[in-house]
Amino acid sequence: SQQGEEDPQALSIQEGENATMNCSYKTSINNLQWYRQNSGRGLVHLILIRSNEREKHSGRLRVTLDTSKKSSSLLITASRAADTASYFCATGGSYIPTFGRGTSLIVHP
Amino acid sequence: DTGVSQNPRHKITKRGQNVTFRCDPISEHNRLYWYRQTLGQGPEFLTYFQNEAQLEKSRLLSDRFSAERPKGSFSTLEIQRTEQGDSAMYLCASSLKSADEQYFGPGTRLTVT
Repeated sequence: SQQGEEDPQALSIQEGENATMNCSYKTSINNLQWYRQNSGRGLVHLILIRSNEREKHSGRLRVTLDTSKKSSSLLITASRAADTASYFCATGGSYIPTFGRGTSLIVHP
Repeated sequence: DTGVSQNPRHKITKRGQNVTFRCDPISEHNRLYWYRQTLGQGPEFLTYFQNEAQLEKSRLLSDRFSAERPKGSFSTLEIQRTEQGDSAMYLCASSLKSADEQYFGPGTRLTVT
């Protein structure tokens, strides 16, 4: 079973728009990570947020974490066609992260 | 390129054959992970090494699967008597003991015919 579940499963936007995807999880965590995967490739680590943090920024990425609701969101601002990929959240209760099914993002040029 | 590498990138085999995949992690990383990913799913954990010790194995890892990391550097994943259900992308990742961020290789895509 996969603890992290991303929503929506698919998202289609125009270049320049913002993209928001959400992750819900079930049990307590030490941290939550977001990864990106381009079609047929390995995953790339984007950002990690710890359970005692509420918000974190990295370039055009903004991640929030609400431990009371057991949810996180990833915001990509001013999206680009190159952001087209699948995005996964991974919850870390121990040293083995548990991945969700991902959100497939398509950014149209 | 000092990232995680995996070989081969693609493998097509007939049902019943054995296959072996190799993963070379980032050199200073002492943790190494194997995952399996099928279409439309996220990576599913298979097994984990810290240095040469295999510390945890998923229930997904049947007795047909075996993994080694003999000198705490590269790792191999062997699947014996392959089945069509083994068709998937096999991903390797590595990390530092002190960090949670994992660095993934490009994966080995296995097709069992």
